[in-house]
Amino acid sequence: QLQLQESGPGLVEPSETLSLTCTVSGGSVRSNGYFWGWIRQSPGKGLEWIGSIYHTGTTYYNPSLQSRVTLSVDVSNNHFSLNLNSVTVADTAVYYCVRRGRGSEFDYWGQGNLVTVSS
Amino acid sequence: QSALTQPPSASASPGQSVTISCTGTSGDVGGYNYVSWYQHHPGKAPKVMISEVNKRPSGVPDRFSGSKSGNTASLTVSGLQADDEAYYYCASYAGSNYWVFGGGTKLTVL
Repeated sequence: QLQLQESGPGLVEPSETLSLTCTVSGGSVRSNGYFWGWIRQSPGKGLEWIGSIYHTGTTYYNPSLQSRVTLSVDVSNNHFSLNLNSVTVADTAVYYCVRRGRGSEFDYWGQGNLVTVSS
Repeated sequence: QSALTQPPSASASPGQSVTISCTGTSGDVGGYNYVSWYQHHPGKAPKVMISEVNKRPSGVPDRFSGSKSGNTASLTVSGLQADDEAYYYCASYAGSNYWVFGGGTKLTVL
């Protein structure tokens, strides 16, 4: 059974960089046809797609975050990562790592990692 | 890109049916058959209930169904059960490798 697990700090200071890693088990990030990505949910708000990455390194980002976000993939260690720079309190959210299935649905989700931006 | 529009809340009694709408534009919901629905119990990971407008992933009860007309997609839950009480989110492909979500609907089983 495929499992995704986020890891990273729960507290980031304003203007710093938020960095999270998603470790994939029970499957491979090299699987053809599947994209890996990140979705977040700010307190009291809905879900927001951040971006997706393929095992070749091809990336796609939400235009509203594109200037601050970078996704990367490490096929050797079977994980992928999110970097979001110049964070503000508005970036406080639960960050989920996800797999996008071949029908374009997000079919596997991590448990979520709450990241609070505060000094 | 604006979020898709969902009603903030919906409710029905056990055994009844409820339909949740998700309204977008011709650039997302209306333009592609890549609408999906997610059930989210707070504190847990969201779970996909419907993909590609009306396909049920393995393990999802047939009480859950999806449809689309024009720029509006709908999720219908029939034979409501207590465990169906959750937040439901729609999502759609919006072109140029971009995905957009709805604001979410809190479903209450009365």
